[in-house]
Amino acid sequence: NAGVTQTPKFQVLKTGQSMTLQCAQDMNHNSMYWYRQDPGMGLRLIYYSASEGTTDKGEVPNGYNVSRLNKREFSLRLESAAPSQTSVYFCASRDRRYEQYFGPGTRLTVT
Amino acid sequence: GESVGLHLPTLSVQEGDNSIINCAYSNSASDYFIWYKQESGKGPQFIIDIRSNMDKRQGQRVTVLLNKTVKHLSLQIAATQPGDSAVYFCAENTQGGSEKLVFGKGTKLTVNP
Repeated sequence: NAGVTQTPKFQVLKTGQSMTLQCAQDMNHNSMYWYRQDPGMGLRLIYYSASEGTTDKGEVPNGYNVSRLNKREFSLRLESAAPSQTSVYFCASRDRRYEQYFGPGTRLTVT
Repeated sequence: GESVGLHLPTLSVQEGDNSIINCAYSNSASDYFIWYKQESGKGPQFIIDIRSNMDKRQGQRVTVLLNKTVKHLSLQIAATQPGDSAVYFCAENTQGGSEKLVFGKGTKLTVNP
């Protein structure tokens, strides 16, 4: 099993550009999550999806949209990137317990 | 402990020593806690968990202690190795059955050879 995979690994955008971060898991988990991680700030939840077809806002949803394409895939879209969105983005999925499994991250820089 | 600023708390130990990393959690109703390890450039990795009806749980070289009276969680690493160098996060499930975890800001552990 590959676990949780994310693409791309690195991305540089100009202010105002859009992009989609992709996430897929092969563990048959129902729940999936998107976090951002900034220096000294820990992990902050952007959006999550408790099951296919449902999505909910987390702590910092502004400027982002998500799509739960199917059980495996959960994408995060930045419609008009801003420098404040420079961060490392992690996708995670969860089994029946509370433990979340994380992907390797996408390092995004917005100039 | 946890930091509210831009700088992570740090802990520096000698190889072979025992390490203790602390976490003050926020919600007295939290029923589940996890410790994660994050190595540089990687995603967080599960280490050990504990439910609120326990006060101690042991894994391989790691022990988690839970003190609900003062809302304190600690992670003890025995015989610390250079490969243990990482940032360690605690996380809590603040609502029973909630989909969400709340993460602490992390402690950076450096193991000196």
